[in-house]
Order: sequence, then structure tokens, then C-alpha cells
Amino acid sequence: DAGVTQSPTHLIKTRGQQVTLRCSPKSGHDTVSWYQQALGQGPQFIFQYYEEEERQRGNFPDRFSGHQFPNYSSELNVNALWLGDSALYLCASRSGGGFHYEQYFGPGTRLTVT
Amino acid sequence: DAKTTQPPSMDCAEGRAANLPCNHSTISGNEYVYWYRQIHSQGPQYIIHGLKNNETNEMASLIITEDRKSSTLILPHATLRDTAVYYCIASPSSGGTSYGKLTFGQGTILTVHP
Repeated sequence: DAGVTQSPTHLIKTRGQQVTLRCSPKSGHDTVSWYQQALGQGPQFIFQYYEEEERQRGNFPDRFSGHQFPNYSSELNVNALWLGDSALYLCASRSGGGFHYEQYFGPGTRLTVT
Repeated sequence: DAKTTQPPSMDCAEGRAANLPCNHSTISGNEYVYWYRQIHSQGPQYIIHGLKNNETNEMASLIITEDRKSSTLILPHATLRDTAVYYCIASPSSGGTSYGKLTFGQGTILTVHP
């Protein structure tokens, strides 16, 4: 079982550019969440996708958008990058049906905006 | 989600029990207590969760006070590999599609010494 995978591992972008990060959930999981973790801080919830729809959203601007595909994989898009968007972006997956308490996190994508 | 308060750092000798406290005095009746940890440069890892009874699994034990206003995570025989940031989170269960958002605080940096 591959667990949650994310790509790329590292990324360097310039202010004003756009970026797309990708996540494949753990086998059997259908719900994907994205988190942003600034250096020295805990992860902050961005949004959650289930059945290809955004179900919950944290306090992030519309520059942050996402998508979930029929195979449950997901993308996080960030437009008009700011320096402050530099962070570790984490993807987490779980099963949406029933009561499943633990979420599984991927290793993250380190985004640096210069 | 209820706010949690944790000490910023703790030390523990290898082989001894590590007891990590968490205060969640505003926790509501439908909120569980979750513990995750994050080893340097990795994604968070689920440890354990509980509602009001004490819980134990292969990784740790969770002791929740009777009034549910605080809890303690116990690693019975800490090893160097347990050095990590430990997060205590109060959140509704992750059942269904309306839940699953995890609100991370700053966590406790646990350092296990030889």
C-alpha cells in the first residue's frame, strides 16, 4: 500500500506565478484535504474534497482552489503567488463514509516563492 | 472546534514514559480528542483518539479527565525515534462528509534524550 503520495517534492516559483500541486490518496480513501504549514507553525486547513466537490473550506482566499478527479486524486492550485505562500503543503486522505477517525498525511510539497 | 493548549516543549529520557498534557477546557460534547505527531520533514501521523474513556493502542495511551477539560498522552517507553512535535486537537468525529477538518495549534516539541 503506497499511502498518500504528493508531487512534486519541492518547487520554486516567482511572485505572481501560478502553481499546481498534486495528491494521490491512500488506497480505499475517497476524501482529500489540503493543509498549509508555514515554517515553525502547525498545519492550517485549506479545504476538503469529497465526490469531486469542495465540502469544507478554511480561511484562505479564492486564489487557492482545488479539484478532485473521479479516481479520488486531487490538485491544489494557487494563483498570483505571494511571498507569504511559501510553505509546506500537505495532503491528507480518509474514507468519507462511516466513522473513520484517522487521517493519513502525505510527505508534503515544499513551495518556495521568490 | 475547541481551542487546545499545550506546553511548547518537553524533554524525556530514553526508555522512560513521556507524559504530554493538553488542556481543552471549552471542548463540547461531540468533540473527540485527537493526537497526531510530526517528525521533522514528514507529514503528521495519527496516534490515538478518544471521547471520554481512556484509550490504548500499540503506540500510546490516552487519559481523559472525567470532566473532559484536559487529557494526557502517554508514550510508555520513549525512544529517540519519538522525538517530534505532538499535536492535541479537539474536533468532531471524522464521520461523514461534513467533518474531518483538523485545527492544529503549535503543539509540544518532545525531545527524547539518550
